Amino acid sequence: GAGVSQSPSNKVTEKGKDVELRCDPISGHTALYWYRQSLGQGLEFLIYFQGNSAPDKSGLPSDRFSAERTGGSVSTLTIQRTQQEDSAVYLCASSLVPENIQYFGAGTRLSVL
Amino acid sequence: GENVEQHPSTLSVQEGDSAVIKCTYSDSASNYFPWYKQELGKRPQLIIDIRSNVGEKKDQRIAVTLNKTAKHFSLHITETQPEDSAVYFCAASTAPGGSYIPTFGRGTSLIVHP
Repeated sequence: GAGVSQSPSNKVTEKGKDVELRCDPISGHTALYWYRQSLGQGLEFLIYFQGNSAPDKSGLPSDRFSAERTGGSVSTLTIQRTQQEDSAVYLCASSLVPENIQYFGAGTRLSVL
Repeated sequence: GENVEQHPSTLSVQEGDSAVIKCTYSDSASNYFPWYKQELGKRPQLIIDIRSNVGEKKDQRIAVTLNKTAKHFSLHITETQPEDSAVYFCAASTAPGGSYIPTFGRGTSLIVHP
């Protein structure tokens, strides 16, 4: 079946602009995660959605970052007033609970000029 | 919160040699330890995982060992091949139930020379 889908695959924006990144999880997966991966770095947790529970936003680096998940499926990560340090690959993953094996999307490479 | 340390950051081996990557974690409540492989420009993919009720798990050339007392776990790859070249990430978390948010190590870049 279809895996985790992310769009766009690449995004180039100017400093100060807002961007929206989209994630389509695997159908039926109730858990959804966003991570940030800077060049040569590990996976930095951003936010976690599980079913109808309140999201865990403990990893969001600033109030410029927000995310929502509509209808328990598609999720959008929004970065307002982008800065150059926001440049990174943003990865989305989904999983079934309680199996908790994460399946990752291909990521969105964000470049802030 | 959980802290995961991963070593080495880079590992270079000759084809056919074994490779070992080690991770330590800080939260004794962690009970699920997955390993992911990320090839250049690709997405991370799960290659093996272990839960705290077992000490070792094998899948062909790959094995993972867990020492809960010492709070460390290791990935072992035998008879390495060039296609094993990738970045490997370990992670630790509590599962199942509750908020399952794994903490990842910083990754090990494995280079297998033909």
